[in-house]
Amino acid sequence: AQSVTQPDIHITVSEGASLELRCNYSYGATPYLFWYVQSPGQGLQLLLKYFSGDTLVQGIKGFEAEFKRSQSSFNLRKPSVHWSDAAEYFCAVGEGAGNMLTFGGGTRLMVKP
Amino acid sequence: KAGVTQTPRYLIKTRGQQVTLSCSPISGHRSVSWYQQTPGQGLQFLFEYFSETQRNKGNFPGRFSGRQFSNSRSEMNVSTLELGDSALYLCASRGGLLGETQYFGPGTRLLVL
Repeated sequence: AQSVTQPDIHITVSEGASLELRCNYSYGATPYLFWYVQSPGQGLQLLLKYFSGDTLVQGIKGFEAEFKRSQSSFNLRKPSVHWSDAAEYFCAVGEGAGNMLTFGGGTRLMVKP
Repeated sequence: KAGVTQTPRYLIKTRGQQVTLSCSPISGHRSVSWYQQTPGQGLQFLFEYFSETQRNKGNFPGRFSGRQFSNSRSEMNVSTLELGDSALYLCASRGGLLGETQYFGPGTRLLVL
């Protein structure tokens, strides 16, 4: 069965600093990978996705992620964090195009002024 | 296009009651998935409907059920509510080139007293 691990439950960064959120997955074939963001009391907003092609994908709000098959990772990065990026971030893997998502436990990002 | 909408946004029920939640997908999307989000268990897949048929089901008891109508709107029902059913219930509709991407609504927050 597929699984997703986000090793960092909480991360605090200073505004303007760079950010990397880690995601490791367990799945036999090429997975469909996603990053979502959730603000308090809100639903999930899609940041970016990967399922084939260039392993560095660009998303909204200045985020990018890199798929590394050898490390089974799909880490999310942003060069300069803004206070409005404070939220919870979820990595998810889909077994196929039409299948359910399995989510990691989430990483809560706090941004210091 | 309007996004996924869910009603109601908030609900308070007591143990033993039943509840029905509603989800309207993005126009043109025919698949609707439901997820439960709790602090302890995180995001867990409940079920998916496509063209009025349940296509996938997660590991939840039979008290959790759903249906989809011909206009793709979906409802989920929870009977005999338990305290542990308190959660944010998220609905997603499926889009993208291969139907690989799930777009989430704002959720319905259910509190069981």
